Amino acid sequence: DTEVTQTPKHLVMGMTNKKSLKCEQHMGHRAMYWYKQKAKKPPELMFVYSYEKLSINESVPSRFSPECPNSSLLNLHLHALQPEDSALYLCASSLTGGGGNQPQHFGDGTRLSIL
Amino acid sequence: AQTVTQSQPEMSVQEAETVTLSCTYDTSESDYYLFWYKQPPSRQMILVIRQEAYKQQNATENRFSVNFQKAAKSFSLKISDSQLGDAAMYFCAYRGSSNTGKLIFGQGTTLQVKP
Repeated sequence: DTEVTQTPKHLVMGMTNKKSLKCEQHMGHRAMYWYKQKAKKPPELMFVYSYEKLSINESVPSRFSPECPNSSLLNLHLHALQPEDSALYLCASSLTGGGGNQPQHFGDGTRLSIL
Repeated sequence: AQTVTQSQPEMSVQEAETVTLSCTYDTSESDYYLFWYKQPPSRQMILVIRQEAYKQQNATENRFSVNFQKAAKSFSLKISDSQLGDAAMYFCAYRGSSNTGKLIFGQGTTLQVKP
């Protein structure tokens, strides 16, 4: 059983829609991450939140808007996406956001398809 | 900038045999952490094993062990007594000690286990 829960598991949306991806963890982790993963490729980091503050934004287009309402929740708001944004979106968490040997725990991901 | 290279896009192994996946990395840091993650077709990424650069002893987790050669910047994963459930994509990842938890992934190796 995954300790990082992502909803929904699948999402199909049009380019003009607004939707949100949700990620939740109850392990007391204070760092949370959003990744984008294309088929047979490694995850690409999008955003990092550390202690509910955005610490890394990997030059992600503004049509992706992250939000961290509290230490257990992480959202990714989507608006006016493009077909090339179709991918698996992974959420992860770790005990802290700094360097160290603490592993990141990943969710199952949301499979996003843009029509 | 740090880079991680996995030179074997695909590998196969017979059930019960041993296979080694290679990983090399480039960094100017002296303190860092290395990880192997497994992503089965069901897509959840899970940690297989981790190694601290300051430790000379190679990490071992049951059937999984690493050969860490710091001078050569090499971090290979050995899977002993391979099982059908080991079939997955394996990612080698690097994390420095000074950054904000960012993982740098290799391109991945797809492992097929033949019965």
